Amino acid sequence: AQRVTQPEKLLSVFKGAPVELKCNYSYSGSPELFWYVQYSRQRLQLLLRHISRESIKGFTADLNKGETSFHLKKPFAQEEDSAMYYCALSGFGGSNYKLTFGKGTLLTVNP
Amino acid sequence: GAGVSQSPSNKVTEKGKDVELRCDPISGHTALYWYRQSLGQGLEFLIYFQGNSAPDKSGLPSDRFSAERTGGSVSTLTIQRTQQEDSAVYLCASSLEQGPKYGYTFGSGTRLTVV
Repeated sequence: AQRVTQPEKLLSVFKGAPVELKCNYSYSGSPELFWYVQYSRQRLQLLLRHISRESIKGFTADLNKGETSFHLKKPFAQEEDSAMYYCALSGFGGSNYKLTFGKGTLLTVNP
Repeated sequence: GAGVSQSPSNKVTEKGKDVELRCDPISGHTALYWYRQSLGQGLEFLIYFQGNSAPDKSGLPSDRFSAERTGGSVSTLTIQRTQQEDSAVYLCASSLEQGPKYGYTFGSGTRLTVV
């Protein structure tokens, strides 16, 4: 079974402070990890994929297979980063079309 | 259209009534997914369609839920004899090919409230 855990329901930081949204996963095979973001009154959208090794809007995430983690980080948070963030996992293989989502972390960046 | 379109955007129904939720995916996207988003519960996979293959219905929570996709395009999610626990936002997504690595595009959802 595959499972994604986001231990923090709420996270509040001040503008300019570093932010880290935690994500841990459980999967027996080789996973593919994603971060999705939903801004207020907007659609859920893909933020980044671990396989792309990209930085989007200043956010990065590194897959740590030893710790089974995929934490999302940004060195200097901005007010416009306030949103709900979901970590998601899919596997390689027969059922790799399914995304399993965590319960989400609501990030608030205070001025 | 340019994006995934869902209708209605909001639906209030009485307990025990049937509801139909519609999803119009991006033209040319062969894969279509339904998820349910509940407060504090994240997104729950419901069902997946890919081309002409048999759908994966493994996420449907009960036999009151069903979905179909006609002509490989528009999909309808039907909930029969609605219950209060069915209240949630129902999200539809589509992708060009099978698998999230090709990028899911989500619709804006249908907020279902069962009273």
